[in-house]
Order: sequence, then structure tokens, then C-alpha cells
Amino acid sequence: EPEVTQTPSHQVTQMGQEVILRCVPISNHLYFYWYRQILGQKVEFLVSFYNNEISEKSEIFDDQFSVERPDGSNFTLKIRSTKLEDSAMYFCACRGTGGNARYEQYFGPGTRLTVT
Amino acid sequence: LAKTTQPISMDSYEGQEVNITCSHNNIATNDYITWYQQFPSQGPRFIIQGYKTKVTNEVASLFIPADRKSSTLSLPRVSLSDTAVYYCLVGDNSGNTPLVFGKGTRLSVIA
Repeated sequence: EPEVTQTPSHQVTQMGQEVILRCVPISNHLYFYWYRQILGQKVEFLVSFYNNEISEKSEIFDDQFSVERPDGSNFTLKIRSTKLEDSAMYFCACRGTGGNARYEQYFGPGTRLTVT
Repeated sequence: LAKTTQPISMDSYEGQEVNITCSHNNIATNDYITWYQQFPSQGPRFIIQGYKTKVTNEVASLFIPADRKSSTLSLPRVSLSDTAVYYCLVGDNSGNTPLVFGKGTRLSVIA
């Protein structure tokens, strides 16, 4: 079964540093998402991406965040200047098209970001 | 988006059938009901989706009454590996609107 992969699995960074989280979505999927989950809390939507542009973003996704699909396979989330409150598990997700595909999103294993 | 309400936690013994009910009184005509499962330190995983009546797959069954104001996820003969958080989501299938997760139901299966 095709799967979403994410690297690194765990990233530790100092406050104010830039981090890039990487995802390789399922190859024929066209919609991409980033979610995050602070320890013990809900999964929260950050941003959706389709046709090389952001479709929707949440209030969390401020100017410190950006997304990119640099080479047609990778999908990245960049945080320019990390804050302590950015510590969370970050999940990449993707979905196909047609039918009920919208609600069947495929999630990666996540990257645990720790900001110190 | 329709608001959903589900129990915070449930306990079950191995081998039992588990039913988790979700209330969604404000469900709209175009909305579908979808359940996701999340194991600790993993991403959510799609389990099942339905619109009305009953849907069954290899993992679970989903029962939706005629008024669609609630739904029940049924897990047959649970095992320890079914210990996870189960999320009920309600929304339509149009556009690219993201998934909105609530707090879910934490199911603990005991030997």
C-alpha cells in the first residue's frame, strides 16, 4: 500500500532558528496538507495546497510559515523563526481526487519538532 | 461545519464489541460522516465513511439512523492493538476544505 513519508522523524532546534520539515506524498495524489498536534491536544489544520498554490490556511499559519513543492515529489513546511510554542508533532497528509476522496486523507508518520 | 460530540474515553476487554456513538445534530444534507483512528505518536488513519444506513468494511461498521443526527462506529471483537483515539468528523465532500478534528474518544482495550 502506498504511504506518505516524512523526514526527519524528530527535529530539535533552538528558538529563533529556521526548520524545514519534509514530506513525500503518495505519487498520484494532488491535494496536500499540513496539520500539527501539540502534545495531548487536538490535531489542528495548518494549510492546504493544490496546483502549486495554497488553497486554505488557518490562523496558526502566519508569516513565519511557508510551504513549497519544489520538485514535484517533495512537499515542505518551513518555519522561519521557531518559537517555543511551535513544539508539536507535524503531520503531512494528501488525498486523491474524485468520489469520497476528500475525506479519505492519508497521513504521514509525523515529525516531532522540539524547540528549546 | 457540523459540531460533533463523542465520549471522551471508553474501556473495553479484549474480544468484546465496542460501539462509539457520535452526535451531530446540525448535520447538513450534503454532509458525510467519517471516522479516523489515531495510535499514539502516529498520524490519523481513515477507517470508514458513510452517508446513511449501514456501511461495513474489513475494519469496522458504521450505523447511521434515518435522521442522521448521530452515528455509531462498531468495532467487532477488539484486541489490545485497537487501543487508540477515534475521531468522528462530519462534512461535505466538495472543494478542498480541510479535516476538522475534535478531541475524539480514547479507547483503551484491556486484556
